[in-house]
Amino acid sequence: ETGVTQTPRHLVMGMTNKKSLKCEQHLGHNAMYWYKQSAKKPLELMFVYNFKEQTENNSVPSRFSPECPNSSHLFLHLHTLQPEDSALYLCASSHRDRGYEQYFGPGTRLTVT
Amino acid sequence: SQQGEEDPQALSIQEGENATMNCSYKTSINNLQWYRQNSGRGLVHLILIRSNEREKHSGRLRVTLDTSKKSSSLLITASRAADTASYFCATDGSGYSTLTFGKGTMLLVSP
Repeated sequence: ETGVTQTPRHLVMGMTNKKSLKCEQHLGHNAMYWYKQSAKKPLELMFVYNFKEQTENNSVPSRFSPECPNSSHLFLHLHTLQPEDSALYLCASSHRDRGYEQYFGPGTRLTVT
Repeated sequence: SQQGEEDPQALSIQEGENATMNCSYKTSINNLQWYRQNSGRGLVHLILIRSNEREKHSGRLRVTLDTSKKSSSLLITASRAADTASYFCATDGSGYSTLTFGKGTMLLVSP
């Protein structure tokens, strides 16, 4: 256990569905991240939040909408996804958004049908 | 791109042997980190080495950093079957950018 939890662990959704991924950290960290991991590709950073403020958005399509209500919780709202969005979505947290080791959750395996 | 590149892409060894993985990167860094990932799970932080450090140890792990060659190596000594996982290097650019991960080395340790 790394102190970062993600729910659900597995999600299958159709292209017209709306769903949300949840991440919670119990480490007292101030920065949280969403990553996408697809087969045979490097880990892709999607969003970064530092003290609840979004500090990075790496040209992610608008069908992915992050929300960070406080430093302990991070959501990724999904709507009208495409099959190529199927991947492992990883949440991470760290003390600050620069220069510190990151602690990862177990991930949500998303399949878009 | 700041991205790290691990080498080899895959490594297969017997228990008890040492495993060495390499990472190369392109621009100046503040620090370099190594992570491991068991299949389909989250990444686990192993070790962080700062740009002014040359070598660091943690248990059976030894990491070296050569900033002149823009490369790092991770050595796992006396490997165990439980070390089977993918190993990633991640770099934190000198402009205090967020981490950039490589594609990883898949290590298989056979009993």
